[in-house]
Amino acid sequence: GENVEQHPSTLSVQEGDSAVIKCTYSDSASNYFPWYKQELGKRPQLIIDIRSNVGEKKDQRIAVTLNKTAKHFSLHITETQPEDSAVYFCAASRNTDKLIFGTGTRLQVFP
Amino acid sequence: DTEVTQTPKHLVMGMTNKKSLKCEQHMGHRAMYWYKQKAKKPPELMFVYSYEKLSINESVPSRFSPECPNSSLLNLHLHALQPEDSALYLCASSQEGGQPNQPQHFGDGTRLSIL
Repeated sequence: GENVEQHPSTLSVQEGDSAVIKCTYSDSASNYFPWYKQELGKRPQLIIDIRSNVGEKKDQRIAVTLNKTAKHFSLHITETQPEDSAVYFCAASRNTDKLIFGTGTRLQVFP
Repeated sequence: DTEVTQTPKHLVMGMTNKKSLKCEQHMGHRAMYWYKQKAKKPPELMFVYSYEKLSINESVPSRFSPECPNSSLLNLHLHALQPEDSALYLCASSQEGGQPNQPQHFGDGTRLSIL
């Protein structure tokens, strides 16, 4: 069935360093890839998304890259700040309203 | 401020109770969703409504009964729940039902505990 693998499960970085989270999807027909940030006790918040006709998208300190051939997509956060600490979920979808979520990455940014 | 509003924020109920979760959005979105999220896990899709019609039911037990009275409101009726149903229940909405791959915006959720 459809599956999205996400790595690493936890990631600790020093403030100012970069963080990279990687996801791999199984369904080659997937064409929409959002990323959500969920702080403790809060709702998942969409931070960036990318569609399959684009290889890279950037929004300030956040960027997402997509490799359709390898079925990989990655979230890059530069100049990390303590407020970036949260759980990050990747997801994939194929022309439906159904998102397949990855298992999540707990990012900790130490001052 | 979240644009998807869920009530109540917390709910404790016994296994024989009947209760309802409510979700409201005023963004003109035409698709609405219910998700269940257990601790340290990703959200799991339960139901999708598109233009007030149920379009996806992810084989959810009948003790969960969704209802979409109008395009702004989504309810989840609960009856005879089990302790394993304790979780965070999230509502989400997106702009165009039937138009795939629209960004989904989540509410803050209802934290449900079954005694």
